[in-house]
Amino acid sequence: GIQVEQSPPDLILQEGANSTLRCNFSDSVNNLQWFHQNPWGQLINLFYIPSGTKQNGRLSATTVATERYSLLYISSSQTTDSGVYFCAVEGWTGANNLFFGTGTRLTVIP
Amino acid sequence: KAGVTQTPRYLIKTRGQQVTLSCSPISGHRSVSWYQQTPGQGLQFLFEYFSETQRNKGNFPGRFSGRQFSNSRSEMNVSTLELGDSALYLCASSLDGTAMNTEAFFGQGTRLTVV
Repeated sequence: GIQVEQSPPDLILQEGANSTLRCNFSDSVNNLQWFHQNPWGQLINLFYIPSGTKQNGRLSATTVATERYSLLYISSSQTTDSGVYFCAVEGWTGANNLFFGTGTRLTVIP
Repeated sequence: KAGVTQTPRYLIKTRGQQVTLSCSPISGHRSVSWYQQTPGQGLQFLFEYFSETQRNKGNFPGRFSGRQFSNSRSEMNVSTLELGDSALYLCASSLDGTAMNTEAFFGQGTRLTVV
């Protein structure tokens, strides 16, 4: 399967700070998604971004498919941004099979 | 519209028993995938169903099985439970799983504890 590496594994920020999370993947992909896992375990969709740049409020993401990486930017972080962020990719199998990274655990302190 | 619904939310089972988990996808979605999340192995793909057919399967033993009904609802079954099956099981639905419609939406998960 496709290998997905996320960095950093852990990140501690002061409220109001900005951060960049990185996702590298080992093969060309049909799909790339960023998720935030809430304390109850649910994966919340942040971005569906196989290529290009998208923005949603304080969050934005960029995927450079030709170089096999994606970045998630969080600006003006808030304590509610705490949690684990996952990058997941899908190859060209035609079936819904996501390969997940090991996540970045973000802690925002007031 | 309603999201992906998984039931039950929590389960405690004894080693050797079997368990069935249920997933109702977003209305209109026809692809359902299942994932297992454990602290040691992270999030791993179990299998995917589309139009009542298993299209893809991850690297799990045959004790893990699933099915999909004509209304796209899916169930997964784990037989002869082992302690290592304790995990959060997540279900995801997507529109039809073709190259242009693969955004996945996840349910809240079923947390299974095997004692």
